[in-house]
Amino acid sequence: DTAVSQTPKYLVTQMGNDKSIKCEQNLGHDTMYWYKQDSKKFLKIMFSYNNKELIINETVPNRFSPKSPDKAHLNLHINSLELGDSAVYFCASSQESGIPSEQYFGPGTRLTVT
Amino acid sequence: GDSVTQMEGPVTLSEEAFLTINCTYTATGYPSLFWYVQYPGEGLQLLLKATKADDKGSNKGFEATYRKETTSFHLEKGSVQVSDSAVYFCALTDGGFKTIFGAGTRLFVKA
Repeated sequence: DTAVSQTPKYLVTQMGNDKSIKCEQNLGHDTMYWYKQDSKKFLKIMFSYNNKELIINETVPNRFSPKSPDKAHLNLHINSLELGDSAVYFCASSQESGIPSEQYFGPGTRLTVT
Repeated sequence: GDSVTQMEGPVTLSEEAFLTINCTYTATGYPSLFWYVQYPGEGLQLLLKATKADDKGSNKGFEATYRKETTSFHLEKGSVQVSDSAVYFCALTDGGFKTIFGAGTRLFVKA
């Protein structure tokens, strides 16, 4: 059983387009995240939702808009795509119960903007 | 703010060599510390963790000890295999919703 899944795995699109990435977790976790990983493997937190509420919103262009319809899903919509948006985007989840816990990552979505 | 610094890679070793990847951190509280591993084409997965000072995390032959006095959490393995080739991330969380990741260290193991 896949714990954290993302679709699509690959996304190739042109500048100016709008695209979405979907994420689902079946672990029963209450917190979900979006990360961006650049070509040097540096991992940057973008957003975090806890029980469908936005709790982390790092300095990300407002072309990026997350949506959490329920605790098991966190989608990422990107408007007016730019070349610099090319990266691998990872969804992750964790159970935050007051005790620091590990995150479970999806397989990633490789976005290429041409 | 909190931060994690890990040694720059790539690290290239021959099979059966000893591995150390250094990791130091700065934190205002008492964070939990993690090592994650990312194999080619995959997401990160937890390798080991330690939640308090002097704890030792271990998994798959890898070990790391939470050293509060030196604010370090170095990753070690006595004998690496080709299958250990991956990117390794040191990370900390202070109990909030944010995990701070190091920049990652790429390991290549040659047969």
